[in-house]
Amino acid sequence: EVQMVESGGGLVQPGGSLRLSCAASGFAFSNYWMYWVRQAPGKGLEWVANIKQDGSEKHYVDSVKGRFTISRDNAYNSLYLQMNSLRAEDTAIYYCGGGLYEYWGQGILVTVSS
Amino acid sequence: QAGLTQPPSVSKGLRQTATLTCTGNSNNVGNQGAVWLQQHQGHPPKLLSYRNNNRPSGISARFSASRTGDTASLTITGLQPEDEADYYCSAWDNSLSAWVFGGGTELTVL
Repeated sequence: EVQMVESGGGLVQPGGSLRLSCAASGFAFSNYWMYWVRQAPGKGLEWVANIKQDGSEKHYVDSVKGRFTISRDNAYNSLYLQMNSLRAEDTAIYYCGGGLYEYWGQGILVTVSS
Repeated sequence: QAGLTQPPSVSKGLRQTATLTCTGNSNNVGNQGAVWLQQHQGHPPKLLSYRNNNRPSGISARFSASRTGDTASLTITGLQPEDEADYYCSAWDNSLSAWVFGGGTELTVL
């Protein structure tokens, strides 16, 4: 059974940092592109970033470039999202996922507020 | 980053057929097609279709996808109450080197 479990979310002040983690199991993690997608409260889905199987290629949505960094550790079947200089508009549920949107975590809430 | 265009809402009757549309451009939908996702309230999205009507294992054949030019479509036949959900399309944009999403369509089954 595929499982993806996010952790590291919570409440942070504007300008602060958070590191999201995603532990994956039940599929060949190292064979898949991995991604983060977010959903602001009551809004639609927004792709945030993705990373190639070996970590050699990464892409980001414009609004997070220079602030967020996606990474992975294939030895631990784990995906990460380092989020710096957080803004109120980054408040959302963050989903980790794998493949062509095949696998999804349950999501974790990040709230940026003073 | 410019997104894909989806109608905000569609309403159809039980057992009827709904067709949801997703319009992009030649850099995204018109180039590599779209994927379709279903999301029920309070749950993560679920993949319905990818790469021109390929359905993952376990997805009903009532869901079928197609593309004409820069517009992708998802057709749901024999609508059931459990089909009531939000539906999103997404495509890789070659010019942006990014995935783009549509704003989502809320499907109501009357």
